[in-house]
Amino acid sequence: AQSVTQLDSHVSVSEGTPVLLRCNYSSSYSPSLFWYVQHPNKGLQLLLKYTSAATLVKGINGFEAEFKKSETSFHLTKPSAHMSDAAEYFCVVSSLGTDKLIFGTGTRLQVFP
Amino acid sequence: GAVVSQHPSWVICKSGTSVKIECRSLDFQATTMFWYRQFPKQSLMLMATSNEGSKATYEQGVEKDKFLINHASLTLSTLTVTSAHPEDSSFYICSARDIRGARGYEQFFGPGTRLTVL
Repeated sequence: AQSVTQLDSHVSVSEGTPVLLRCNYSSSYSPSLFWYVQHPNKGLQLLLKYTSAATLVKGINGFEAEFKKSETSFHLTKPSAHMSDAAEYFCVVSSLGTDKLIFGTGTRLQVFP
Repeated sequence: GAVVSQHPSWVICKSGTSVKIECRSLDFQATTMFWYRQFPKQSLMLMATSNEGSKATYEQGVEKDKFLINHASLTLSTLTVTSAHPEDSSFYICSARDIRGARGYEQFFGPGTRLTVL
């Protein structure tokens, strides 16, 4: 069975400093991995996805994530946080070709001026 | 493109009543729609998957008679919470995808509906 574990429920950073949101996955198969962002009163938005191509995945808004099979990790990073990045972030796994997305418990990112 | 809306955005109802939540794909045709439930400070849990014109497939533990899902057209799915009780209070989120399109399996999410049952 597939699962994801988001290691931090809350992360606080200052504007302009790097962001690291951690995610570990468990999957019997070659996983597809995603990061979604949820802003208040808006639908979840796909930031980036990994589907067995390049291990370093670049997404929207300057975010990127690196798939590390040896560490079963898919951490999300951004070099410089912006106030608008404050939101809830979800790490998600799905098995290739299946319908189901399995969500982590989310990490709330706060960005201080 | 790929916008999904939900209506209402929030609803308060009395225990024992039924509530209908709509999910619409505004600029694409959704061959499949999904319904999720999100408890406070918790993850999204898939409740059911519906394909246009077919019966919904419910996840284990989800009462199909309580959470009625209809996907009658390629742009609309509805979730009806029947005989709602306070424990049904939650944030309900739908998503939609068009498997025939270039973005295939990608799901596009609605903004969610906050249900409070008194």
